[in-house]
Amino acid sequence: DTEVTQTPKHLVMGMTNKKSLKCEQHMGHRAMYWYKQKAKKPPELMFVYSYEKLSINESVPSRFSPECPNSSLLNLHLHALQPEDSALYLCASSQTDRGDYEQYFGPGTRLTVT
Amino acid sequence: GENVEQHPSTLSVQEGDSAVIKCTYSDSASNYFPWYKQELGKRPQLIIDIRSNVGEKKDQRIAVTLNKTAKHFSLHITETQPEDSAVYFCAGYRGSTLGRLYFGRGTQLTVWP
Repeated sequence: DTEVTQTPKHLVMGMTNKKSLKCEQHMGHRAMYWYKQKAKKPPELMFVYSYEKLSINESVPSRFSPECPNSSLLNLHLHALQPEDSALYLCASSQTDRGDYEQYFGPGTRLTVT
Repeated sequence: GENVEQHPSTLSVQEGDSAVIKCTYSDSASNYFPWYKQELGKRPQLIIDIRSNVGEKKDQRIAVTLNKTAKHFSLHITETQPEDSAVYFCAGYRGSTLGRLYFGRGTQLTVWP
């Protein structure tokens, strides 16, 4: 299985809601990533997990809270988001946290904050 | 940190023509340069990559060249087809920056039949 899966595909939430995005991979990869992507822009790195430990937090606001329950799963908990947080949220995984291994992206969750 | 610049931002070609996208990077310590293709509504996918110990790499109709002295690398697509239409992102990686790819701003390639 060489695929990264993400749920849900689409999410609409109000600014006071709490929701979670989920990501899963079964390739035995030990690094997992969260990216935010705005239309026609490159992915922006948010978090990197290496061997289930948070290794990079790109100064992301605390309303985004990542969690890595095990080596196959990655969650992104959302709370009190702003309309400008509306974007495509991509999960990715790679064999290790070295950037020179291919990153496999999931299909993304299209998030709309109302 | 690293800064990767990508040109052009949009590129239109006729089917069968070649397309070239260029990227420059600022950090001479960068040693890995992948190219990702993202079709409309789809996920980014790696199409080709090159490491700093190699000057050129080919995979069928796609090739990447690297000039370390000038700090630039280019994607070449020959015999373009409509299914090549997508946004292409170049990226750079420096060995000491865990998992951190520095992406270019992207090139929207449109191939007209």
